[in-house]
Amino acid sequence: EAGVAQSPRYKIIEKRQSVAFWCNPISGHATLYWYQQILGQGPKLLIQFQNNGVVDDSQLPKDRFSAERLKGVDSTLKIQPAKLEDSAVYLCASSRDKGYYGYTFGSGTRLTVV
Amino acid sequence: DQQVKQNSPSLSVQEGRISILNCDYTNSMFDYFLWYKKYPAEGPTFLISISSIKDKNEDGRFTVFLNKSAKHLSLHIVPSQPGDSAVYFCAAMTSGTYKYIFGTGTRLKVLA
Repeated sequence: EAGVAQSPRYKIIEKRQSVAFWCNPISGHATLYWYQQILGQGPKLLIQFQNNGVVDDSQLPKDRFSAERLKGVDSTLKIQPAKLEDSAVYLCASSRDKGYYGYTFGSGTRLTVV
Repeated sequence: DQQVKQNSPSLSVQEGRISILNCDYTNSMFDYFLWYKKYPAEGPTFLISISSIKDKNEDGRFTVFLNKSAKHLSLHIVPSQPGDSAVYFCAAMTSGTYKYIFGTGTRLKVLA
């Protein structure tokens, strides 16, 4: 099966600009996750979707971050305006079931805010 | 509040020897645990899992041990190979939440 697709792979923006990331999960995977991984840290969950509904967005900085999953398939994560501390790898993951056997991650988008 | 901790940021092991990676957690509600492996410029890939009803799970060269009373799990790789060089993350979940909390990772280097 095809993996989790993410684009772009790399993005460099200036602070206060906006940026969007795209994710296409594995076909048939109902659950989709966005994680933020800052250098030297483990991935931190930003938002979790079940089909096109939000299950958990408690750690999403809602004043600047937004995410949607239209039609329960692909998803976009947006940052507006970006801050220097948003520099990180943004990982999308999906799972068929409720995650008991782990997720499949995409390769991530490396964001650098200058 | 770091609920999942990997206190060793790095580990070097000679090829053919055993690699032991450790992970501690604080939340007693966690009942599913995973190990992921991550190569540079790639997303983490699932390696092995264990549920709290077990204390050991094996898959080839990889074995995960869970000590619930100590809130500790470990990953053993025997024998270690140069291709095992990567960053290893442990992750924990409370069933019903369907989301994993990740540790900070341990960079394993297997020396040929």
